[in-house]
Amino acid sequence: GENVEQHPSTLSVQEGDSAVIKCTYSDSASNYFPWYKQELGKRPQLIIDIRSNVGEKKDQRIAVTLNKTAKHFSLHITETQPEDSAVYFCAASKEGGGYQKVTFGTGTKLQVIP
Amino acid sequence: EAQVTQNPRYLITVTGKKLTVTCSQNMNHEYMSWYRQDPGLGLRQIYYSMNVEVTDKGDVPEGYKVSRKEKRNFPLILESPSPNQTSLYFCASSPSSGNTIYFGEGSWLTVV
Repeated sequence: GENVEQHPSTLSVQEGDSAVIKCTYSDSASNYFPWYKQELGKRPQLIIDIRSNVGEKKDQRIAVTLNKTAKHFSLHITETQPEDSAVYFCAASKEGGGYQKVTFGTGTKLQVIP
Repeated sequence: EAQVTQNPRYLITVTGKKLTVTCSQNMNHEYMSWYRQDPGLGLRQIYYSMNVEVTDKGDVPEGYKVSRKEKRNFPLILESPSPNQTSLYFCASSPSSGNTIYFGEGSWLTVV
């Protein structure tokens, strides 16, 4: 089955700096890679996703890159703000074919220091 | 308001006492799942359902049962809970595979 590894497990950055979280996956058939943000005491919520036919996607201060050959994808947050402090999860799954098995990474706790 | 609702939100129970965590979604989503979240282990999928009467095992199905008799409901059943099932549980729904997952607020379960 799919295996998703996520690094680092914790990350502290100064406000205004950039943060990068990296994930690798094992199943070359995976083609959908979302990122979820979980604030303390709340549910995970989607912040950005990327599909295997795209190499990069941006949404304001957040970007995700995908390297299918190396089977890794990364989340980039620029100009970090205190409200970016949360746990971030990457995930991998297959789109289509009625298949809904989703494998998450173990999470990265991001702390943005004011 | 579009939402995934699960109950109870907090529960302390004893080993072996059967319990059910209910989950309901009002978005007419085909797909529903259950996850457990444990420190250092992230979110692990317990079971998922692709439609009414269609369910399949996730990564950690042992000790759990599910059913999908109606499209909107997907209860999680612990027939004989054990302390290692103490965890934070999330129900989730999605309109299709490879699409946004909408999580419920979570259910904190403690088995003593």
